[in-house]
Amino acid sequence: KQEVTQIPAALSVPEGENLVLNCSFTDSAIYNLQWFRQDPGKGLTSLLLIQSSQREQTSGRLNASLDKSSGRSTLYIAASQPGDSATYLCAVFTGNQFYFGTGTSLTVIP
Amino acid sequence: EAGVAQSPRYKIIEKRQSVAFWCNPISGHATLYWYQQILGQGPKLLIQFQNNGVVDDSQLPKDRFSAERLKGVDSTLKIQPAKLEDSAVYLCASSLTPLAGGTNIQYFGAGTRLSVL
Repeated sequence: KQEVTQIPAALSVPEGENLVLNCSFTDSAIYNLQWFRQDPGKGLTSLLLIQSSQREQTSGRLNASLDKSSGRSTLYIAASQPGDSATYLCAVFTGNQFYFGTGTSLTVIP
Repeated sequence: EAGVAQSPRYKIIEKRQSVAFWCNPISGHATLYWYQQILGQGPKLLIQFQNNGVVDDSQLPKDRFSAERLKGVDSTLKIQPAKLEDSAVYLCASSLTPLAGGTNIQYFGAGTRLSVL
């Protein structure tokens, strides 16, 4: 069974810092991986989707990489802002189901 | 474009009572998902519909949970009777297609926060 782990569980950084969030999965047979953002009391917003054949995807200050063979993905956030404070979740799609990690709670301090 | 709509936003019930949640997906999205998110955990898939057929309900506690998607659009998730451990946020999501070759970005609703006392 696929298991998705995110480290760290919580992260606090001063505004302006670059940071990296980690996601690992146990079964490399995935079709794609998505990074989501979840604000308190709200649903999830898709940030980036990386197909299994891709190595990375970029959107603005966000860059996500995927190393399928080692079961790892990273989300890089450049020049962090207080508005980036939220929980970030990764999810892998196996072809018929999504498996989510437990998330990293990010706080960006002004 | 309207997003995924869910209601109610909050629900408080006592254990052994029944509760129902409603979801209206994005227009044209064939696939609909119900997730349970317990505090501090990632969402766990309960059931997945493709149009009005069930694709995966392997993690749905069928002794107390049921879901339907009549006419392949709106969906309801019911819990009867509720237990304390059912306290969670219930998220509905939809996507155009679940197939790997397609764009299977999921769009989520705001969720229903259930508290069972």
